Amino acid sequence: EVQLVQSGAEVKKPGESLRISCKGSGYIFTNYWITWVRQMPGKGLEWMGNIDPSDSYTNYSPSFQGHVTFSADRSISTAYLQWSSLKASDIAIYYCARRNRGLDVWGQGTTVTVSS
Amino acid sequence: IQLTQSPSSLSASVGDRVTITCRASKGISHYLAWYQQKPGKAPKVLISTASTLQSGVPSRFSGNGSWTDFTLTITSLQPEDFATYYCQQDDTYPLTFGGGTKVEIK
Repeated sequence: EVQLVQSGAEVKKPGESLRISCKGSGYIFTNYWITWVRQMPGKGLEWMGNIDPSDSYTNYSPSFQGHVTFSADRSISTAYLQWSSLKASDIAIYYCARRNRGLDVWGQGTTVTVSS
Repeated sequence: IQLTQSPSSLSASVGDRVTITCRASKGISHYLAWYQQKPGKAPKVLISTASTLQSGVPSRFSGNGSWTDFTLTITSLQPEDFATYYCQQDDTYPLTFGGGTKVEIK
């Protein structure tokens, strides 16, 4: 079964760093880009950017450039989304998804809560 | 590229025909996908490349359009179709989503 499994919910304080993960299985991980999508509470979907796991080439939305970092470890079929300094406005559910003529496989989402 | 969905919400009854529109601010050929999202769940792709029905998606869903104007049609709305629908362009970086259309029970 093709699937993406994300790491669990996180509760952090403003200014803290965080890395969440997205592990692919059931397919050749390096053959498909991984996209990251944000969904703030009660809001729509926002395309954050994507990463090619074969060479870690990235594309960022201008809205997120400089605030988050994508990375990937192809040896363990895992992509990462990282913040060096969280803000209260980062509260959201973050999804990873496989890009294949659209986003055909999605992770279950990781809820990030930022509160002092 | 901005994607404008209309309407932003609609109320419909089981059995109704429903059409959602997505308009792109620039031409995107046929590189548009449609997603369905239910509360508390990850989105699910329904249609890719404007009109290709994804495996396992009921045939009452269909997509049409090209360049700047696209539609998602549900021919006979079923109880499990009440959800929020999003379009997404896969043509030009940064890729973008539409604002969503919430389909509610009348």
